[in-house]
Amino acid sequence: DILVTQSPSSLSASVGDRVTIACQASQDITNYLNWYQQKPGKAPKLLIYGASNLETGVPSRFSGSGSGTHFTLTISSLRPEDIATYYCQHYNDFPWTFGQGTKVEI
Amino acid sequence: QVQLVQSGGGVVQPGRSLRLSCVTSRFTFSSHGMHWVRQAPGRGLEWVAAIWYDGSNTYYAESVRGRFTISRDNSKDTLYLQMDSLRAEDTAVYYCAGDEGFGDLLFAMDVWGQGTTVIVSS
Repeated sequence: DILVTQSPSSLSASVGDRVTIACQASQDITNYLNWYQQKPGKAPKLLIYGASNLETGVPSRFSGSGSGTHFTLTISSLRPEDIATYYCQHYNDFPWTFGQGTKVEI
Repeated sequence: QVQLVQSGGGVVQPGRSLRLSCVTSRFTFSSHGMHWVRQAPGRGLEWVAAIWYDGSNTYYAESVRGRFTISRDNSKDTLYLQMDSLRAEDTAVYYCAGDEGFGDLLFAMDVWGQGTTVIVSS
């Protein structure tokens, strides 16, 4: 199975900060990687698919990059409503796996 | 607004069975693959199972293979997860999710149910 490892596991930032979350796959997954946002008590929400494609309706301050084994989610200017846990997830083959999550706090 | 409405959670003893359901509205259910994802208390997300748009192919996480069965009834716009031989470690919130892809393309979960809690305890 392909493992995906996120870093950091948590971070604290200020409103307006640029925030970067990393995700590393245990093998080459080309661009078969998604990013999700989950707020407490809520279902996850798809932010980015295919490593860099912004899901419809997601604010443009969110962006994704990377290919192969290294990927990044960036929030260009953190807003209070971005407080959540973020997960990467590969879809290179089955079984799909998620990273362990990155909790973003202010 | 697309909705996935889940039902069927509850408290069950180890070794027993439970079936989860997920009904859609205003969503072309029969054209999309579907998934189950779970989240144990205080833990991260775990993908559990997936099924093609027509039910002809299914995929499972190793942790549930042979015990859980994903299925669908396109005439009822309903997804199921039959969970047998339940264990304490299956305790989690279970989410159904629709795939953004059409047909046999599975690549991202873009529509989610509200989640249903399963507690396995004696």
